[in-house]
Amino acid sequence: DARVTQTPRHKVTEMGQEVTMRCQPILGHNTVFWYRQTMMQGLELLAYFRNRAPLDDSGMPKDRFSAEMPDATLATLKIQPSEPRDSAVYFCASGLNSEAFFGQGTRLTVV
Amino acid sequence: EDQVTQSPEALRLQEGESSSLNCSYTVSGLRGLFWYRQDPGKGPEFLFTLYSAGEEKEKERLKATLTKKESFLHITAPKPEDSATYLCAVGRGNDYKLSFGAGTTVTVRA
Repeated sequence: DARVTQTPRHKVTEMGQEVTMRCQPILGHNTVFWYRQTMMQGLELLAYFRNRAPLDDSGMPKDRFSAEMPDATLATLKIQPSEPRDSAVYFCASGLNSEAFFGQGTRLTVV
Repeated sequence: EDQVTQSPEALRLQEGESSSLNCSYTVSGLRGLFWYRQDPGKGPEFLFTLYSAGEEKEKERLKATLTKKESFLHITAPKPEDSATYLCAVGRGNDYKLSFGAGTTVTVRA
């Protein structure tokens, strides 16, 4: 059963620390998305890649967030330094043509 | 700027009581209207994609329809396991960047 895998599922960190979230997209999918979900803002698109090339990261705070795809099986989202306002659930999704399939998310708490 | 508005915010139903959820949208160059289901602590689960006005799709007790300005998700004779948050999203551009609505939380009581 093909699925998007995200690690870790939960992360608690102190303000100022670096956080790295990882995503394994579904094999064969050529588009990878990073979303953030909060109660106040709902689901927001942070960045996305097509064929591993970054196409749009306008939703990300550039000074502290970075997204990469070192290879076709791994996407990463880093926050450095982390702040309490970054607390949210971060979702990775992958797709081939239109539908995007989501992972289970990483719940990040910054204290 | 894309706008997606879902109503109502919350819906409480008795088992077997059919109802509809609304998703109204404003987007230039719509490439698809998507419905997802999200359970607590889980990622959104894909349900349907609708591409053109008049299109309908069904899956078990769910039926999605699309007009030029809105989409409806009809839940027929719901069961408690249909309780979830239902998210609507519009896609545009070649890469189907999705803009999501805030969702409708459906609770079905036995």
